[in-house]
Amino acid sequence: GDSVTQMEGPVTLSEEAFLTINCTYTATGYPSLFWYVQYPGEGLQLLLKATKADDKGSNKGFEATYRKETTSFHLEKGSVQVSDSAVYFCAPPRGTGFQKLVFGTGTRLLVSP
Amino acid sequence: GAVVSQHPSRVICKSGTSVKIECRSLDFQATTMFWYRQFPKQSLMLMATSNEGSKATYEQGVEKDKFLINHASLTLSTLTVASAHPEDSSFYICSAPDVTGENEKLFFGSGTQLSVL
Repeated sequence: GDSVTQMEGPVTLSEEAFLTINCTYTATGYPSLFWYVQYPGEGLQLLLKATKADDKGSNKGFEATYRKETTSFHLEKGSVQVSDSAVYFCAPPRGTGFQKLVFGTGTRLLVSP
Repeated sequence: GAVVSQHPSRVICKSGTSVKIECRSLDFQATTMFWYRQFPKQSLMLMATSNEGSKATYEQGVEKDKFLINHASLTLSTLTVASAHPEDSSFYICSAPDVTGENEKLFFGSGTQLSVL
């Protein structure tokens, strides 16, 4: 079945450092790809999405490009802040909709001042 | 904005007891909700799809007699872990899609950490 591989955490960075969280998936032909974020004590929320191959999703300084040829959707941010400390999930959809998702293990990011 | 409320956030119980977890959509109606669980260092795995007014749809390998799902109203789905055992200890999270607006969105609860002693 479909699966997603994310880099293991925790990822520990200093403020203003560059962030990359790798994500690769096994299936092809996803209509969209998503990154979700869970801040402490809160529910998962959509961080960004890409709706087709080569599309770049961006939000709050985070970016990810849908790379069909490498089946990857790596998350990047040029300068992280303490407030970015959270758990990040790469989550392509199951099937053609957006409601059911295939999750990676999640990557915990810890940013220190 | 729309919010999904999940309670309790943490529960510790003795083996053999039943535990109920609630998932509520606070300002939208959800005919469908989803339940996931996550074991340590593993992925969030879809357990079942909760359907308002009808039976839940379970994923392969999920025991429907162990994980009882009730979606009695358009804003509430409950997951009951029947006769919980230590191997049921996990993180459970629900999600609900809001399809009423122009931009359909998926909202998640904050999760429930279940520990069975």
